[in-house]
Amino acid sequence: DAGITQSPRYKITETGRQVTLMCHQTWSHSYMFWYRQDLGHGLRLIYYSAAADITDKGEVPDGYVVSRSKTENFPLTLESATRSQTSVYFCASSPTAGVYQETQYFGPGTRLLVL
Amino acid sequence: GESVGLHLPTLSVQEGDNSIINCAYSNSASDYFIWYKQESGKGPQFIIDIRSNMDKRQGQRVTVLLNKTVKHLSLQIAATQPGDSAVYFCAEIVTGTASKLTFGTGTRLQVTL
Repeated sequence: DAGITQSPRYKITETGRQVTLMCHQTWSHSYMFWYRQDLGHGLRLIYYSAAADITDKGEVPDGYVVSRSKTENFPLTLESATRSQTSVYFCASSPTAGVYQETQYFGPGTRLLVL
Repeated sequence: GESVGLHLPTLSVQEGDNSIINCAYSNSASDYFIWYKQESGKGPQFIIDIRSNMDKRQGQRVTVLLNKTVKHLSLQIAATQPGDSAVYFCAEIVTGTASKLTFGTGTRLQVTL
């Protein structure tokens, strides 16, 4: 049971470059989420998706783009990376229905450093 | 907006003792609560949850208590072990609003030998 995976686990890039962080889940969960985690701010929602081809903004969407052509994948793209986007990024998913439908399950994270 | 907070940023506990981590929430409409554990360098891991129609739920060595009157929940860890050292944070949500899971900032649990 692979669960939810993220790649790369670590990434160093330069200001202005485009970066794509990948997220893949094997549970067929409907919902997927992208968060960033910074000291002093906790987890902040960037974007989420309720299903394939359905995405919506979270709390801090500026500078990010997402897509979801397949249920299992939810890539996050930084179109032109800035130093303020240095952070740890977590992908999460939650099922459509059932007892745990609001429970979000997290990936291992991607540590991004923008120079 | 609504938020979930924690009383103590750091908790130091001796191995074998019980740990209690507290969380206050402010959204009276929240009806589902989750505790997560986050070890250094890892993603948050689901520990236990509780719905608002319950006031106590037990898992393996963990118990969550919910007091809706004062909008407070706690996580109790029995016989704390070194492997329990991590940051713990609570999260709240209103059922049916899948994108609105609100997280607290976390409490660091340090287990001393």
